Amino acid sequence: EAGVAQSPRYKIIEKRQSVAFWCNPISGHATLYWYQQILGQGPKLLIQFQNNGVVDDSQLPKDRFSAERLKGVDSTLKIQPAKLEDSAVYLCASSYSSSYGYTFGSGTRLTVV
Amino acid sequence: QQQVKQSPQSLIVQKGGISIINCAYENTAFDYFPWYQQFPGKGPALLIAIRPDVSEKKEGRFTISFNKSAKQFSLHIMDSQPGDSATYFCAASRSSGNTGKLIFGQGTTLQVKP
Repeated sequence: EAGVAQSPRYKIIEKRQSVAFWCNPISGHATLYWYQQILGQGPKLLIQFQNNGVVDDSQLPKDRFSAERLKGVDSTLKIQPAKLEDSAVYLCASSYSSSYGYTFGSGTRLTVV
Repeated sequence: QQQVKQSPQSLIVQKGGISIINCAYENTAFDYFPWYQQFPGKGPALLIAIRPDVSEKKEGRFTISFNKSAKQFSLHIMDSQPGDSATYFCAASRSSGNTGKLIFGQGTTLQVKP
């Protein structure tokens, strides 16, 4: 089966600019997660979708981050405006259901300068 | 209560040796404990996982030991190989409820010397 697809692989932006990341999960996977991985740390959940509904966004900085999964398939994560501390790898993961282990994409490495 | 603490931060092992990485958790509601392996430029990949109804699980050279009373679990890599050089993350989650959210440890960078 095809894996979790993410784009772009790399992005460099200036602070206060906006950026968007795209994720296409494994076909048939209802649950989609966005994680933030800061260099030297473990991934931290930003938001979880079950189909096109939000299950958990408790750690999403909602003043600058937003995410959507309109048709219950692919998803977009946006940052506006970006801060220096947003420099990280943004990982998307999907699973058949929340009770199963999940598969990560390769991530988007964001550098904010 | 949501933390998972992982040690050591880095580990150097000779080829053929045993690599051991430890994790501790606080939330007794956690009931799923996976280990992920991450190579540079790649996302984490599931390596092996355990549920608290067993004390040990082995898959090839990789073994998880689980101590429910101590709230600790560890990954043992037997006959470590240079290809095992990567960052390893332990994690924990609750399978009940509707989340399945994984809480990750800080990671251990393993280097296996030839």
